[in-house]
Amino acid sequence: DIVMTQSPDFLAVSLGERATISCKSSQSVLYSSNNKNYLAWYQHKPGQPPKLLIYWASTRESGVPDRFSGSGSGTDFTLTISSLQPEDVADYYCQQYDSAPYTFGQGTKLEIK
Amino acid sequence: QVQLQESGPGLVKPSQTLSLTCTVSGGSISSESYYWTWVRQPAGKGLEWIGQVYTTGRTNYNPSLTSRVTMSVDASRNHFSLELTSVTAADTAVYYCAGGLIVFGGVIFYNWGQGTLVTVSS
Repeated sequence: DIVMTQSPDFLAVSLGERATISCKSSQSVLYSSNNKNYLAWYQHKPGQPPKLLIYWASTRESGVPDRFSGSGSGTDFTLTISSLQPEDVADYYCQQYDSAPYTFGQGTKLEIK
Repeated sequence: QVQLQESGPGLVKPSQTLSLTCTVSGGSISSESYYWTWVRQPAGKGLEWIGQVYTTGRTNYNPSLTSRVTMSVDASRNHFSLELTSVTAADTAVYYCAGGLIVFGGVIFYNWGQGTLVTVSS
């Protein structure tokens, strides 16, 4: 199984400031045949289902604000929120969909400082 | 836009079988574009992929659960199901169904049900 490790577990950022979450996979999720990273980011708020934010490591899902961006390749990935808004308070998960079981990171809880 | 809704008992006794159904609307369970998926989240913990089922009945399960899990598709009712046997308190969780769109061989979870809490308790 591919193990996904996020850091930090908990992050407090001031409104308007940048939030950065890291995700590392135990093996590469980059397919050389198509140069795509099989890595997604989800936002999860209490009482709601997870919401897809980013796929292919850097492609923003339709309707997701452009303050959310994803980067990285191979085994190291980053989710960045450029200017934190109150509605961004949530848990964030990375997930690899390269090979089953499609494992998630342990999650990062993001709060307002 | 595919929509999903979980249904099933909210309380299951230890050692019994947890059974959930996910009804799909706005799309066909027979679509070759989706893997129909179950994910769970125990209270205070992270997301765990349980497994997936394809329209043909082909399945992939999490190795940690494979001995207890069965997933199936019912095209006549446009739904898919999860059965988890011999449950314990550790299986208490919010269970989500999701539509995993197959893209370039990967499965991306665009669409999710609202989730249903299943508690294992006597």
